[in-house]
Amino acid sequence: GENVEQHPSTLSVQEGDSAVIKCTYSDSASNYFPWYKQELGKGPQLIIDIRSNVGEKKDQRIAVTLNKTAKHFSLHITETQPEDSAVYFCAASPHSGSARQLTFGSGTQLTVLP
Amino acid sequence: GAVVSQHPSRVICKSGTSVKIECRSLDFQATTMFWYRQFPKQSLMLMATSNEGSKATYEQGVEKDKFLINHASLTLSTLTVTSAHPEDSSFYICSARDPTTGELFFGEGSRLTVL
Repeated sequence: GENVEQHPSTLSVQEGDSAVIKCTYSDSASNYFPWYKQELGKGPQLIIDIRSNVGEKKDQRIAVTLNKTAKHFSLHITETQPEDSAVYFCAASPHSGSARQLTFGSGTQLTVLP
Repeated sequence: GAVVSQHPSRVICKSGTSVKIECRSLDFQATTMFWYRQFPKQSLMLMATSNEGSKATYEQGVEKDKFLINHASLTLSTLTVTSAHPEDSSFYICSARDPTTGELFFGEGSRLTVL
């Protein structure tokens, strides 16, 4: 089955700096890669996703890049703000929206220092 | 506002009792919902897939008699933790997929503490 590895497990940045979180996956059949933000005591929220026919996707301060050959994808947050502090999970799935086959990374605790 | 709602958000119970957690999709009908368990500082672990009108599909290692799932309507799935023990204490999260957009929405989670 799919295996998703996520690094780093913790990340601290100064407000205004950029943050990058990286994930690798093992199943070449995976073609859907969402990123979730989970605040303390809450459920995950989808912040951005990318499908395998796209190499990069951007939404304001958040961007995701995908390298299918190397089987890795990354989340980039620019101009970080304290409210960006949360746990971020990457995930991979062979089908868009198929939660049954959605494999999550281990999570990254991002702390943005004011 | 929330698209998927869970209730209760926190529950404390005594060992040996049963606890029911509800998951409702507010904006769409969901024939399939999913239940996860999350331990502190760990990722989400899929427990089971809840199917409207039929039996739930459980992941390997998840006791179906321990974690009863009922999906009686297109907007409601319930997870009942039966004869709860302290090791069942965890954060339980549900999700549902919007059939129109394909997007997966998660509930706010339910923190279960078994004394």
